[in-house]
Amino acid sequence: DIQMTQSPSSLSASVGDRVTITCQASQDISNYLNWYQQKPGKAPKLLIYDASNLETGVPSRFSGSGSGTDFTFTISSLQPEDIATYYCQQYDNLPPGFGQGTKLEIK
Amino acid sequence: EVQLVESGGGLVQPGGSLRLSCAASGFTFSSYAMSWVRQAPGKGLEWVSTISGNGDDTYYADSVKGRFTISRDNSKHTLYLQMNSLRAEDTAVYYCAKDGNVLVPSWFDPWGQGSLVTVSS
Repeated sequence: DIQMTQSPSSLSASVGDRVTITCQASQDISNYLNWYQQKPGKAPKLLIYDASNLETGVPSRFSGSGSGTDFTFTISSLQPEDIATYYCQQYDNLPPGFGQGTKLEIK
Repeated sequence: EVQLVESGGGLVQPGGSLRLSCAASGFTFSSYAMSWVRQAPGKGLEWVSTISGNGDDTYYADSVKGRFTISRDNSKHTLYLQMNSLRAEDTAVYYCAKDGNVLVPSWFDPWGQGSLVTVSS
């Protein structure tokens, strides 16, 4: 199975800060990488698919980049409503696997 | 608007069975694969199973293979997960999700509200 390693596991930042989360795959997954946001008590929501494509309706402050084994998720200017846990997910190989999550808090 | 509504969760004893359902609306159901993803209390996301749009192809996590069966009724726009020989470690919120393509798992969007399955004596 492909292992997905996210870092950091938790992050505290101030409103307006630029926030970056990384996700590393244990082998080349091309651009088959997605990012989700999960707010407490809610279902996950797709933000980015295929590494860099913004899902319809998702604010443009969210972005993704990378290919191969190294990927980055960025919030350009953190807003209070962005408090959530973020997950990466690969689908290059079965089983599709998730990173362990990054819990984002407001400083 | 795409909507997914799960039902069927609850408390079950170890070794017991439960069937989850997911009623879909707002899209051409048979044109998309559908998946189940679970989340144990306080833990991360774990993919469980995917079924292709026409139901011919199914995929399972090793942790549930041989115990869980995914199926769909395209005439009823409903996805199912039959769970047998349940274990304590199957305790989780189970989400159904629409897949990004028709055949194999890709991205999951949107997700249902989740259905809690608790396996305990």
